[in-house]
Amino acid sequence: DVKVTQSSRYLVKRTGEKVFLECVQDMDHENMFWYRQDPGLGLRLIYFSYDVKMKEKGDIPEGYSVSREKKERFSLILESASTNQTSMYLCASSEEALPPYEQYFGPGTRLTVT
Amino acid sequence: GENVEQHPSTLSVQEGDSAVIKCTYSDSASNYFPWYKQELGKRPQLIIDIRSNVGEKKDQRIAVTLNKTAKHFSLHITETQPEDSAVYFCAAGGYSTLTFGKGTMLLVSP
Repeated sequence: DVKVTQSSRYLVKRTGEKVFLECVQDMDHENMFWYRQDPGLGLRLIYFSYDVKMKEKGDIPEGYSVSREKKERFSLILESASTNQTSMYLCASSEEALPPYEQYFGPGTRLTVT
Repeated sequence: GENVEQHPSTLSVQEGDSAVIKCTYSDSASNYFPWYKQELGKRPQLIIDIRSNVGEKKDQRIAVTLNKTAKHFSLHITETQPEDSAVYFCAAGGYSTLTFGKGTMLLVSP
């Protein structure tokens, strides 16, 4: 069974703080993704990575950066958290880049920025 | 980029009825169309997918149809059960990434 874990289920941070969200997968997947999920807006892609040290912007990268130093770990960084970044953050991984490819999701981190 | 529209946003049915969720996409290069189910408080999980060279795919009570010309695809659930209650997301993709619809909350009443 693929296991995707995220470092925290709930996180409360103050405006202006630097925030790190960590994601780890145990299936040697090449591709990893960060999404944010907001009610009525679905899942929106922030960044993805198809290899170690490689990253690509998704649809909403503004205010975020990422790091992938090891294949199994993909970090999302909020350099200076703002209240509009309060959201549920979901990490995912997939083995393949060509269809069909199942994305396996982590349990999510609910981030509140006050 | 790709844009995926999903309707309806909420759908209430009685147990045993059928449910249909519809999606449209904009990018003709998209060739992969998965559906994910997210139960309350849980992570999204893939339930069925279809590739652009196939018009229909079935797996027990769920089926997906694709009309490539019209750029729309649909999820059909027959004989709905209370455990089908969840949020369903359609998605469209090509190489590596997916664009998701905004989701449909399906409520199945006993």
